[in-house]
Amino acid sequence: GAVVSQHPSRVICKSGTSVKIECRSLDFQATTMFWYRQFPKQSLMLMATSNEGSKATYEQGVEKDKFLINHASLTLSTLTVTSAHPEDSSFYICSASPPTSGYSYNEQFFGPGTRLTVL
Amino acid sequence: AQSVTQLGSHVSVSEGALVLLRCNYSSSVPPYLFWYVQYPNQGLQLLLKYTTGATLVKGINGFEAEFKKSETSFHLTKPSAHMSDAAEYFCAVSESNTGKLIFGQGTTLQVKP
Repeated sequence: GAVVSQHPSRVICKSGTSVKIECRSLDFQATTMFWYRQFPKQSLMLMATSNEGSKATYEQGVEKDKFLINHASLTLSTLTVTSAHPEDSSFYICSASPPTSGYSYNEQFFGPGTRLTVL
Repeated sequence: AQSVTQLGSHVSVSEGALVLLRCNYSSSVPPYLFWYVQYPNQGLQLLLKYTTGATLVKGINGFEAEFKKSETSFHLTKPSAHMSDAAEYFCAVSESNTGKLIFGQGTTLQVKP
């Protein structure tokens, strides 16, 4: 159980285009989803937290107009990189959390990641 | 604020040797601690977690970690390394009021034949 998928797994696009990445929780309802960015040989950097039906909360320094996040249902969140540029090339990982179920922390289940390359 | 420090960005062991990956945390409240493994071009897989209760936590693939409050540590160990253990390992603490994960810098484990 607790499987999270991402689509696409790899995308190459031209500079100036927009790219949408989907994150789905396959066997549970995710009240909260997180989006991370990972540069080569580095740790994960949290970009934003999204709760179903409400606006995403972005971390300091992350451009909300460039990285559009939508969490329209309890099983789907999307990240759209608008007007992508080569510096946006990175590995993007999402995670999803089910309702806390009595725990005071939200366990996160991670997707397999999406490799974005902007030419 | 909570934080995590992983000592050693790169650890190399021989196959069959003990694996020890170090993690120290900073937290003003009882922490929830996690170890994740990441294989190349993949997402993160949970190895084990500490929430409450027993301080020695056993995880998947033969890994275990011990929560030591006095040392603010949560080191990851495995008695005998296998070639398939070569990967990137991340220690993380859950931010108590938001559920966000705060990750350490990561440790690359190399296993030599």
